[in-house]
Parts: sequence; structure tokens; C-alpha cells
Amino acid sequence: GAGVSQSPSNKVTEKGKDVELRCDPISGHTALYWYRQSLGQGLEFLIYFQGNSAPDKSGLPSDRFSAERTGGSVSTLTIQRTQQEDSAVYLCASSLDREDTQYFGPGTRLTVL
Amino acid sequence: AQSVTQPDIHITVSEGASLELRCNYSYGATPYLFWYVQSPGQGLQLLLKYFSGDTLVQGIKGFEAEFKRSQSSFNLRKPSVHWSDAAEYFCAVVSNSNSGYALNFGKGTSLLVTP
Repeated sequence: GAGVSQSPSNKVTEKGKDVELRCDPISGHTALYWYRQSLGQGLEFLIYFQGNSAPDKSGLPSDRFSAERTGGSVSTLTIQRTQQEDSAVYLCASSLDREDTQYFGPGTRLTVL
Repeated sequence: AQSVTQPDIHITVSEGASLELRCNYSYGATPYLFWYVQSPGQGLQLLLKYFSGDTLVQGIKGFEAEFKRSQSSFNLRKPSVHWSDAAEYFCAVVSNSNSGYALNFGKGTSLLVTP
């Protein structure tokens, strides 16, 4: 079956611009996670959605980052006023329920010039 | 917060040789531990996980890991490495129960396999 998909695969933007990254989780998966992978910081948790509950935003690095999940399915991560330190690969993962295996998407590589 | 440490940044092994990648965790109670692999240009793939029970865990692609509470370790092993095993390997632990099962990853170990 289809895995987790993310779009775009690559995004180049200028400093100060806003970007939106999309994640399509595996159908039926109630839990969705966003992570960031960068050379300096490694893999970091950003935000967690469980069904229609309020998300856990404890990993978001600043208030420029936000995310939403519509209808308990597709999620969008938005970065406002991008900075060069936001350059990273943004990974999305979903799991059937909170304690199940997380399946990762291929990621979106964000480059901020 | 719960964390893991991977002491080895790079490991080089010959094809056919055995492999052990180290992972140490920092957590009071029994942690939920994972090993993921990331091949070039590929997403993260789960190799195996440990929640409780038998401390020797079998995973995919011939990998296994052993949970040792006395050493706070969860090392990954494979008896005979194949060239296709060259990749980045990440140990991870569930960071805290308030974030679902959000994972706290180690810095990773890059595996190079020589002919």
C-alpha cells in the first residue's frame, strides 16, 4: 500500500519568505509526527498530532513554526519568515495509533538562501 | 528528557564480517528503544524495537539487538554484513509520554562496508 508522502521533495526559498510543507500520512493512521533533520542538530521532534486532539507543540523551535492537521489526515507545517538556520530535511511520520510503529516519509529538503 | 548516545560516528567493516553498533540510553524506568536505518536518499526504516519482555530482539534484514539494563545499552548486531547494509543507523528512545511516542534520536552511526 501507499506509504507516507511528502511534498515538495525539495524547496528553495529566500530568507524572510514563508513556506508550507505537506504530509500525507498512511490512510487510517491516527498519529502524525513532524521531525527535522539537520547537520548540526541531528533528528529533532517538532510536533505530534493524535486524531482530532490538540497537538503537542513542545518540540517547535520558535513561534515562526506552526502546523495543522485537517480532518485528522493531511498535515501542513508552515514556517514563517524563514531563516538560514531553518535549512534542513523535514520528515513526517505516521502510526496507526500512538504506540505503534512510526512510518517515515521521504522528507522535504528545505534550503533557505 | 530521555536520551540515547551513539558513541561511534563512523564504523567501517569488511563485507561478511560481524557488526555491532553501540547505543546507550539515559532513563530511569524501562525505556522504549528503537533502531532505524536511513539509506542514501531514502526515508527512515524501522529495523527493530524493544518495549518489554525478551531482551534479545530480532529485526528485519538479519539484525538483532540486546537490551542490557545493567549497562544501559541497546546494541545492534548482525553476524555477517552485506554491502547493501552501508547506511546511517539511528538509535532512538521514546522521549516522553506527553508527546505520544515522539522519538528522541541519537546522532547516528555511519556504516561503511568495504569489499
